[in-house]
Amino acid sequence: GDSVTQMEGPVTLSEEAFLTINCTYTATGYPSLFWYVQYPGEGLQLLLKATKADDKGSNKGFEATYRKETTSFHLEKGSVQVSDSAVYFCALRAANDYKLSFGAGTTVTVRA
Amino acid sequence: SQTIHQWPVTLVQPVGSPLSLECTVEGTSNPNLYWYRQAAGRGLQLLFYSVGIGQISSEVPQNLSASRPQDRQFILSSKKLLLSDSGFYLCAWSSDRGYEQYFGPGTRLTVT
Repeated sequence: GDSVTQMEGPVTLSEEAFLTINCTYTATGYPSLFWYVQYPGEGLQLLLKATKADDKGSNKGFEATYRKETTSFHLEKGSVQVSDSAVYFCALRAANDYKLSFGAGTTVTVRA
Repeated sequence: SQTIHQWPVTLVQPVGSPLSLECTVEGTSNPNLYWYRQAAGRGLQLLFYSVGIGQISSEVPQNLSASRPQDRQFILSSKKLLLSDSGFYLCAWSSDRGYEQYFGPGTRLTVT
């Protein structure tokens, strides 16, 4: 079945450091890919998405590129802030399906 | 714009008691609706989804049930709670043709 694997955390960084969270997927066909962010005590917010190969999603300084050849959708941010501390989830939606498959989540803590 | 509401925000219930969590969506019609559970420190587990009134699909057999009495209302219920039902319950919606899901603020359930 479809699945998402993302790097385990927790990840602790200093402010202005570079952040990468790896995400790889297994799916048939051409799924849509997403990154969601969850701040403490809140629901999930859609951070960015990509619906076809080579698409780059971007939002709030975060970027991720849909790489079909490596089945990856790694999240990157060039300079993190304390306010980026959260749990990040990679997810996929298979073609012709309603459901999202989520990775286990990566906890990111940014220190001032 | 669309908004999604969940209540209650927090709930503490004894083992064996009933449960009713409510989710409503505003600003859209005929949404797909979803219930997820997030156990402490873990990823999201899809419990139920619905593509229309009275249409419920269950992903995980358990002592929970879901109902959709109105187009934009989704209810999660249990007749008798178990300790293992504790967690953070998230409702989400997507348009019937949309790729992404949008999440509510969640309900924190503690079963004692």
